[in-house]
Amino acid sequence: QPQLQESGSGLLKPSQTMSLTCAVSGVSVGSGTYSWSWIRQPPGKGLQWIGYVFPGGVTYYNPSLKSRATISLDTSENRFSLELTSVTAADTAVYFCARGDGLGETWFDPWGHGILVTVSS
Amino acid sequence: SYDLTQPPSVSVSPGQTASITCSGDKLGDKYTFWYQQKPGQSPVLVVYRDTKRPSGISERFSGSNSGNTATLTITGTQTMDEADYYCQAWDSPSGVVFGGGTRLTVL
Repeated sequence: QPQLQESGSGLLKPSQTMSLTCAVSGVSVGSGTYSWSWIRQPPGKGLQWIGYVFPGGVTYYNPSLKSRATISLDTSENRFSLELTSVTAADTAVYFCARGDGLGETWFDPWGHGILVTVSS
Repeated sequence: SYDLTQPPSVSVSPGQTASITCSGDKLGDKYTFWYQQKPGQSPVLVVYRDTKRPSGISERFSGSNSGNTATLTITGTQTMDEADYYCQAWDSPSGVVFGGGTRLTVL
């Protein structure tokens, strides 16, 4: 089973850009049919899918976040990243990275441990 | 947008069977996936493609999906099964959609 580990800035001010990275071990992000996804969970609330990227760089996003989110692959470092622009307090959440399986109707397994990102002035 | 509806909470006695439902328009025409999340931990996949169980997941977990409702069933529920459970499906153009989650209490 591959392992995923999130890292990045944990505290941001409103209007700043969030940058998170997910380091992957045990499988290459640049090959195969798996996708690489970001999912978030506001404190005490449910899960929200942000988007995913396939080997080759094709991306799909949650329509509600599409204008602000960018997910990219770094095959040389075997990792993938999330940038979310113009953050507000509503973006405060635990951000998980996960491997996606199943072309089209995708499920997620495994997940990283998650990283808490707080947006506060 | 496509919505998945779960009951906020379900209670079950130890050893009994717990059923957690997930409702959505024509959900039976899609695959449904289920995740278990314990406090402070990341979600774990317990059922995929309606009925399949990943390696390492107890046989006590099973799933079904028909009509507008998918169901996660836990037989012989144990205290270690106490957790939040989320259903998930895929819809165009919404993409990946999660249900609001169900807190399972074993008491």
